[in-house]
Amino acid sequence: GNSVTQMEGPVTLSEEAFLTINCTYTATGYPSLFWYVQYPGEGLQLLLKATKADDKGSNKGFEATYRKETTSFHLEKGSVQVSDSAVYFCALSPLQGAQKLVFGQGTRLTINP
Amino acid sequence: ETGVTQTPRHLVMGMTNKKSLKCEQHLGHNAMYWYKQSAKKPLELMFVYSLEERVENNSVPSRFSPECPNSSHLFLHLHTLQPEDSALYLCASSQEALAGGNEQFFGPGTRLTVL
Repeated sequence: GNSVTQMEGPVTLSEEAFLTINCTYTATGYPSLFWYVQYPGEGLQLLLKATKADDKGSNKGFEATYRKETTSFHLEKGSVQVSDSAVYFCALSPLQGAQKLVFGQGTRLTINP
Repeated sequence: ETGVTQTPRHLVMGMTNKKSLKCEQHLGHNAMYWYKQSAKKPLELMFVYSLEERVENNSVPSRFSPECPNSSHLFLHLHTLQPEDSALYLCASSQEALAGGNEQFFGPGTRLTVL
């Protein structure tokens, strides 16, 4: 079956620190991969995506590379800000069938000034 | 703005009440979804509608009843809920494609409290 595993939170960093949130997946075929972010009191917003192996998604200084050989899609940012505090969800979309998203459990990130 | 709106944003109801959650998407999508987000639990997919037909119902109790009258609107009718149904209910939409991989766009959610 399809599944997504994210690193356990919460994660607390200081402003300007380097961020990595690990995500690995299990899927049949070649899924698309996504990172969503949920700010306090809001719904989920798409942060970035990659649709095939070796693709790099990027947005707002965040990056993630689709690694088929390690079935991973780790989220990175070189210098985090207080405004990046949120919950981050890794997700995959199977290639076939209805557009179901399979989500990881989410990682809460807190950035201190 | 994500193009997906939900009303109400907050709802408090008793276990014997009947209420409805509304979702509207302004993106021209043809698929809509209901999710439940509880504290310390993964996001749970409840229902999927594609072209106004229900294509998935993930073993959701019958006290939750979805309705999709057209491709822009989705409702979740609630009756005789339990306190453990208290959660954030998220609506999402997407454009179905044969190849897959299209992202879903989420609304802000309805925070439901069942007393």
